[in-house]
Amino acid sequence: TQLLEQSPQFLSIQEGENLTVYCNSSSVFSSLQWYRQEPGEGPVLLVTVVTGGEVKKLKRLTFQFGDARKDSSLHITAAQPGDTGLYLCAGRVRVTSSASKIIFGSGTRLSIRP
Amino acid sequence: NAGVTQTPKFRILKIGQSMTLQCTQDMNHNYMYWYRQDPGMGLKLIYYSVGAGITDKGEVPNGYNVSRSTTEDFPLRLELAAPSQTSVYFCASSYSHDTGAGDIQYFGAGTRLSVL
Repeated sequence: TQLLEQSPQFLSIQEGENLTVYCNSSSVFSSLQWYRQEPGEGPVLLVTVVTGGEVKKLKRLTFQFGDARKDSSLHITAAQPGDTGLYLCAGRVRVTSSASKIIFGSGTRLSIRP
Repeated sequence: NAGVTQTPKFRILKIGQSMTLQCTQDMNHNYMYWYRQDPGMGLKLIYYSVGAGITDKGEVPNGYNVSRSTTEDFPLRLELAAPSQTSVYFCASSYSHDTGAGDIQYFGAGTRLSVL
């Protein structure tokens, strides 16, 4: 069974602080995506990383894909209340040479206090 | 653009009842998906479709059925509702399914279902 473990499960910090959330697995992913989900809404894609060691920045958000493509991290600088939400990582794994599937982590619920 | 539209937003069912969750997308995407999201858990794939007339099982298909008669619509059917099917259901669509750069899935707002 392939699992994507996200940590921490919950995080509540003060506005202006920095934070990092993690996504780990024993499986190798051909790509990994980060989504943000707000209450009552579906997940919205933030970024896709494909290459081991790849770093992508989206304003105050920095995403990194592990060298071995088994893990990823999301770092937020100077967190703002608008960053509040459920952050999900999703990894694509090869099932056969021509087929793959997406596995979602259970998410990190982030709350930023004003 | 409406994107992916799901109806209803909320529903309460009694054990043994049946219902259909509707999903429609206006982006001309070939690929469509149904997920369920339980509290504290990630999304689990129920069924997916790679095009009109083609459907396939995901991780947790038992108790559900789907059909894909058109590109736009991908309804999910619960025949005999059980308490274990209490969950939030998300429909998603994507242009591609298996590209090296990673496909983008667009999600609907979800249907919150309670089976009592």
